[in-house]
Amino acid sequence: EDQVTQSPEALRLQEGESSSLNCSYTVSGLRGLFWYRQDPGKGPEFLFTLYSAGEEKEKERLKATLTKKESFLHITAPKPEDSATYLCALYGGSQGNLIFGKGTKLSVKP
Amino acid sequence: GAVVSQHPSRVICKSGTSVKIECRSLDFQATTMFWYRQFPKQSLMLMATSNEGSKATYEQGVEKDKFLINHASLTLSTLTVTSAHPEDSSFYICSARDGASQLPLHFGNGTRLTVT
Repeated sequence: EDQVTQSPEALRLQEGESSSLNCSYTVSGLRGLFWYRQDPGKGPEFLFTLYSAGEEKEKERLKATLTKKESFLHITAPKPEDSATYLCALYGGSQGNLIFGKGTKLSVKP
Repeated sequence: GAVVSQHPSRVICKSGTSVKIECRSLDFQATTMFWYRQFPKQSLMLMATSNEGSKATYEQGVEKDKFLINHASLTLSTLTVTSAHPEDSSFYICSARDGASQLPLHFGNGTRLTVT
């Protein structure tokens, strides 16, 4: 069964303090791993898609990497506006839908 | 970029009434739309998949007579919560798959349903 596990559940950082969020997964055949950002009361906002081990993508202070078992979302010198819940998802399921982890709630204090 | 519009953003209804939620793809044709439900501090759980012009496919444990889905065009899908009860209170989010790219990338902003 395809499964996504995210850690930590919550992360508090000081502004400028770099860190990483983890997404470990099991899947029979990877067709894509997605990262989203979700603000309270909003739908997920697309960040990245990764398809194969070794692939990396960057956007501003965020960089996503992928291995055969996990993905990391690295955040460099975060700012308070980076505070949000970050969701990892697998492209899979019988309907070609996304299978989500529970997310990591990131809080960045000034 | 591609946009999915969901309406309403918030709705409060009385127990026993029905509520309709709309999901529109604004600048692309969505051959498939997905409806998710999200409880506080929980992940998005897929409820059903709707394909334009055909019946929706529901996930195990989701009552199809309670959550009616209609995908009448390539840009519109609706979810109707019938005979709502307080336990149906939740955050409902739709997602649309671009028929051109075949990737389920785009989400609406969600609908907060409160049943009193």
